Amino acid sequence: DVKVTQSSRYLVKRTGEKVFLECVQDMDHENMFWYRQDPGLGLRLIYFSYDVKMKEKGDIPEGYSVSREKKERFSLILESASTNQTSMYLCASNSPLSGTSGSPETQYFGPGTRLLVL
Amino acid sequence: KNQVEQSPQSLIILEGKNCTLQCNYTVSPFSNLRWYKQDTGRGPVSLTIMTFSENTKSNGRYTATLDADTKQSSLHITASQLSDSASYICVVSARGSNYKLTFGKGTLLTVNP
Repeated sequence: DVKVTQSSRYLVKRTGEKVFLECVQDMDHENMFWYRQDPGLGLRLIYFSYDVKMKEKGDIPEGYSVSREKKERFSLILESASTNQTSMYLCASNSPLSGTSGSPETQYFGPGTRLLVL
Repeated sequence: KNQVEQSPQSLIILEGKNCTLQCNYTVSPFSNLRWYKQDTGRGPVSLTIMTFSENTKSNGRYTATLDADTKQSSLHITASQLSDSASYICVVSARGSNYKLTFGKGTLLTVNP
């Protein structure tokens, strides 16, 4: 059974704190993703990693950084948390392009971390 | 600009009834379309995935259809159950992109007893 786990389900932090969100997948996937989900906005991609130590910015990378030192682990870092970063954070993983269609494999999501910044 | 629009935003039905959710997209070039189910406070779970050549796919009581000409998809839920209460998200990917998905904002379905 495929599994993506996130270190915390709920997190409360103060403005200015450094925040680490951890994600681990056990499917040997090359790709890992961090999204945030806000009411009325849907899921938005923050960062994407396609290999160890490799990363690409998504649609909303400002205020965030990421780290991928091992294939199974992808961390999202809020260097100095702000109230507008209060959100639901979702990690996902999948395999890269496969087959002649070039269709990405299904993304498997973690349970999410609900972060509140006061 | 790639976009995915879902309707309705929310829907309330009685247990046992059928319902249909809609998804219109402008993603180009089209690769595939997925429907995800997201329970409250949980991560999305894939229900179906359809490529350009497929126009229908079923997963139990869930049946997705795709019309690539009109760029429309629907998710039909048969004989709804209380556990179907969730947000249903339509996601479209462009051909040649390893990771770039366009997400709809979802339809919130509530099934009442």
